[in-house]
Amino acid sequence: QVQLVQSGAEVKKPGASVKVSCKASGYTFTSYYMHWVRQAPGQGLEWMGIINPSGGSTSYAQKFQGRVTMTRDTSTSTVYMELSSLRSEDTAVYYCARVYESWGAFDIWGQGTMVTVSS
Amino acid sequence: SSELTQDPAVSVALGQTVRITCQGDSLRSYYASWYQQKPGQAPVLVIYGKNNRPSGIPDRFSGSSSGNTASLTITGAQAEDEADYYCNSRDSSGNHLYVFGTGTKVTVL
Repeated sequence: QVQLVQSGAEVKKPGASVKVSCKASGYTFTSYYMHWVRQAPGQGLEWMGIINPSGGSTSYAQKFQGRVTMTRDTSTSTVYMELSSLRSEDTAVYYCARVYESWGAFDIWGQGTMVTVSS
Repeated sequence: SSELTQDPAVSVALGQTVRITCQGDSLRSYYASWYQQKPGQAPVLVIYGKNNRPSGIPDRFSGSSSGNTASLTITGAQAEDEADYYCNSRDSSGNHLYVFGTGTKVTVL
């Protein structure tokens, strides 16, 4: 079945970087754009950016410009999100989500990866 | 960038109807999608496009839109519908940019 499986929880110190992976299966990896969305504890969903798995092009929310990098590996059907210069406010669950591009709908979500930033 | 505004919380009696709204300028140009999120779980798409439900979503969920406002209606709310609901759409400030609504907590009484 179609699924996105993310890497496990991470604990990082302020100033460090984190790289979260999202492995796709059950569909043609290069046919669907992928998004990253985060959710701080008790807060709402926040859109971070998008990557085209086919060509690797990206677009990022202005808030994360300069700190986030999204990449992909077509040989393993995996997308990655790296966030640098971590601060406590980056503590959140990070989700990857496939987009049904015709409608702009996020139809398949990963299970989420908890990233904790603490000294 | 665009913003999408939702009421923070609404309540509905079991079996009754509740409507959740989402307001924002981007909705004049783009359809909203709606997501249900239960505690500790990833969001689930419940409505997309004009009024489309993914496979497995009950037909008590429906969507509509007018001007800068999109709505999600639950007709005959069930206890299992108690959750947070988020809208999202493309951001009118740029291609491939997206925005989420602030979220609505639905309580079924």
